[in-house]
Amino acid sequence: ETGVTQTPRHLVMGMTNKKSLKCEQHLGHNAMYWYKQSAKKPLELMFVYNFKEQTENNSVPSRFSPECPNSSHLFLHLHTLQPEDSALYLCASSPIERGGVYNEQFFGPGTRLTVL
Amino acid sequence: AQSVSQHNHHVILSEAASLELGCNYSYGGTVNLFWYVQYPGQHLQLLLKYFSGDPLVKGIKGFEAEFIKSKFSFNLRKPSVQWSDTAEYFCAVISAGTASKLTFGTGTRLQVTL
Repeated sequence: ETGVTQTPRHLVMGMTNKKSLKCEQHLGHNAMYWYKQSAKKPLELMFVYNFKEQTENNSVPSRFSPECPNSSHLFLHLHTLQPEDSALYLCASSPIERGGVYNEQFFGPGTRLTVL
Repeated sequence: AQSVSQHNHHVILSEAASLELGCNYSYGGTVNLFWYVQYPGQHLQLLLKYFSGDPLVKGIKGFEAEFIKSKFSFNLRKPSVQWSDTAEYFCAVISAGTASKLTFGTGTRLQVTL
């Protein structure tokens, strides 16, 4: 148990559906992240939030829409996805040191997404 | 831009064999380095990290890694693997002292046979 939880753990959706992934961290961290993990590819950083403000959008298509209502919760809203978006979506959090330095990240278990 | 290379994609070892997984990064400045492990069906967890000081870093479960700055390497080692070490191992790097992003390698799948 890392203190980072994700729901649901598995999700199957059609290309016309709208769904949301949820992440919650209980570690008191101020930075939260969404990653995409596909087979045989490096983890791809999607979004970074620092004190609820989005500080990085790594050229992610607009069919992925993040939301960070507070430092403990992070959502990823999904709509009109494509089959190639099927992957494991990981959430992570980290403390931020003085001067805005990001430290090691703690990961959740991920949501296994399948787009039909 | 920084990048991380893990040359071994799939490694198969017998129990009690020694392990060394390669990790090389490309970045000219000071870096912080990490090894993460992902056991089957479980979340990514930190094995060990290097920020500064002794370049030989010891982590959990008997793992260690050595930072060799001149070679831009941070190889992971374990003298005697166990069946329970079967997992995927990821090397990662971040520019030290900045608010930049963590860059991961593609991972190495380790399979330990009995």
